[in-house]
Amino acid sequence: GDSVTQMEGPVTLSEEAFLTINCTYTATGYPSLFWYVQYPGEGLQLLLKATKADDKGSNKGFEATYRKETTSFHLEKGSVQVSDSAVYFCALTGNYGQNFVFGPGTRLSVLP
Amino acid sequence: DAGVIQSPRHEVTEMGQEVTLRCKPISGHDYLFWYRQTMMRGLELLIYFNNNVPIDDSGMPEDRFSAKMPNASFSTLKIQPSEPRDSAVYFCASSLLAVNTEAFFGQGTRLTVV
Repeated sequence: GDSVTQMEGPVTLSEEAFLTINCTYTATGYPSLFWYVQYPGEGLQLLLKATKADDKGSNKGFEATYRKETTSFHLEKGSVQVSDSAVYFCALTGNYGQNFVFGPGTRLSVLP
Repeated sequence: DAGVIQSPRHEVTEMGQEVTLRCKPISGHDYLFWYRQTMMRGLELLIYFNNNVPIDDSGMPEDRFSAKMPNASFSTLKIQPSEPRDSAVYFCASSLLAVNTEAFFGQGTRLTVV
């Protein structure tokens, strides 16, 4: 079945450091790919998405590119802030929004 | 739209009691998902519905768990009897039957079984 693998956390960075969180997937067909963020005590919020190969999703300084050849969707940010401290989930779904599959999540802590 | 609404936000119950969690999806959404989140197992899909019909309940841990969706605007997840190992945050999410759409999550219900 479909699956998502993320790098193990936690990740601890200093403010203004560069962030990469790796995500790879296994899926049939042409899934849509997502990054969700969960702040403490809250539900998951969509951070960005990409729906076809070579698409780049971006939001709040975060970016991820849908790489079909490497089945990857790595999350990057050039300069993290303390407020980016959260858990980040990579996810995929089939073309019609059904059966979302989530990775295990990566906890990010940004120190001032 | 107010988003996905879950109630209660927090529930503390004694072992053996029945617990009912409630969810109101976003109006017009075709899919509804129930997830459980724990430190040990992360985010687990329990069951999802399409147009009020359960499609995949293979994630429901055991017969003590049941979920219903009597209409398009309401779903329940029931645990009877509850056990301490059921303590977790339970999320409801909904999405559209549409190309390339995302799931929208509620704030979750934090369940503690003592």
